[in-house]
Amino acid sequence: AQTVTQSQPEMSVQEAETVTLSCTYDTSENNYYLFWYKQPPSRQMILVIRQEAYKQQNATENRFSVNFQKAAKSFSLKISDSQLGDTAMYFCAVISNFGNEKLTFGTGTRLTIIP
Amino acid sequence: NAGVTQTPKFRVLKTGQSMTLLCAQDMNHEYMYWYRQDPGMGLRLIHYSVGEGTTAKGEVPDGYNVSRLKKQNFLLGLESAAPSQTSVYFCASIRDRGPNTIYFGEGSWLTVV
Repeated sequence: AQTVTQSQPEMSVQEAETVTLSCTYDTSENNYYLFWYKQPPSRQMILVIRQEAYKQQNATENRFSVNFQKAAKSFSLKISDSQLGDTAMYFCAVISNFGNEKLTFGTGTRLTIIP
Repeated sequence: NAGVTQTPKFRVLKTGQSMTLLCAQDMNHEYMYWYRQDPGMGLRLIHYSVGEGTTAKGEVPDGYNVSRLKKQNFLLGLESAAPSQTSVYFCASIRDRGPNTIYFGEGSWLTVV
């Protein structure tokens, strides 16, 4: 079974600091995609960053970067210079490229940026 | 989100009533998904479809049925609504292998009284 685990239900950090959200997953496939999505109070789902498993280089998008450890099946999200607008729920997700098209999400981490 | 439309956005049902949620996408995506999101919980997969005419069960399929008669539409049905089905429902779609991103609808708020 494909699973995604986010072990931090809630986190808070001071504005301008760096925070890391953890995510571990389990899949039997070798080719897959990983995502981090942000959900503000409006409930809209916003793509933060994505990573193809066959790429060893960690993905980055401005202040957001990931630490992808394929052997450990770990996919953590680092937010640098955190801003008040980063306050949201963050979801990690995985989908396999072949054979298992089930798109699985973790339970989420509620991140609060403190002014 | 552009491309994925959910209807209705809000609905109040009485216990035992039936209803259908419609998810429509205009991006020619193969894969479509229905999730429910309860307070404090993540997105739990109800059913999904990997192409026209196909459906498969997710984590929490009981009490729901789905159909994908047309590629662009994925319908979620509640045959006999129960208060436990009060939730926010999200539809998502992605293109076939090698997805660049997941496209979400804006959510449908369903209350069963």
